[in-house]
Amino acid sequence: EAQVTQNPRYLITVTGKKLTVTCSQNMNHEYMSWYRQDPGLGLRQIYYSMNVEVTDKGDVPEGYKVSRKEKRNFPLILESPSPNQTSLYFCASSYMGASYEQYFGPGTRLTVT
Amino acid sequence: KQEVTQIPAALSVPEGENLVLNCSFTDSAIYNLQWFRQDPGKGLTSLLLIQSSQREQTSGRLNASLDKSSGRSTLYIAASQPGDSATYLCAVKGDSSYKLIFGSGTRLLVRP
Repeated sequence: EAQVTQNPRYLITVTGKKLTVTCSQNMNHEYMSWYRQDPGLGLRQIYYSMNVEVTDKGDVPEGYKVSRKEKRNFPLILESPSPNQTSLYFCASSYMGASYEQYFGPGTRLTVT
Repeated sequence: KQEVTQIPAALSVPEGENLVLNCSFTDSAIYNLQWFRQDPGKGLTSLLLIQSSQREQTSGRLNASLDKSSGRSTLYIAASQPGDSATYLCAVKGDSSYKLIFGSGTRLLVRP
């Protein structure tokens, strides 16, 4: 089954404790991206990757890091989480960019206390 | 800067009614527009993708239209069912952008 998986689905952590949210897709997609969703603000892109070893900032990259060492994986790293990073996070992938149909993961609800 | 607006933010209709969801965007230089459905606690599911050269796309009871010049798109749902209850989001990709810009969504409730 074609899918995008994220782990963990739910995470409660404390300020400053480094964490990684994993994202994996099994569709051999070139393009992957991370979004955060906040009430009243919609989905905002954090980072995206057009291919292996190619990443670029989205609209709200501050406080986040990403890497794309393999085509299927695109982890999101919060080196020092803060309460304003409490949000619902989605990973997405597509064949070759935002011009194509996007496939979203189930989301990761992160709470930083 | 592209801005995408969806009005209303919430909509409640009785089962069986035909309904229209609206999406407007400020910059008409778009490459495509996508409509998504989001169920509580789940990710987004792509419903329809309209290229800028197209006027509409259809899938089952769903029909999406696009009027680039006026910066508007509508999602028409025929004979609504309680299972259609979800949040519907639209997103646009600009001609010279690698990104999707999302609206805040319309939360739809179809009452039995």
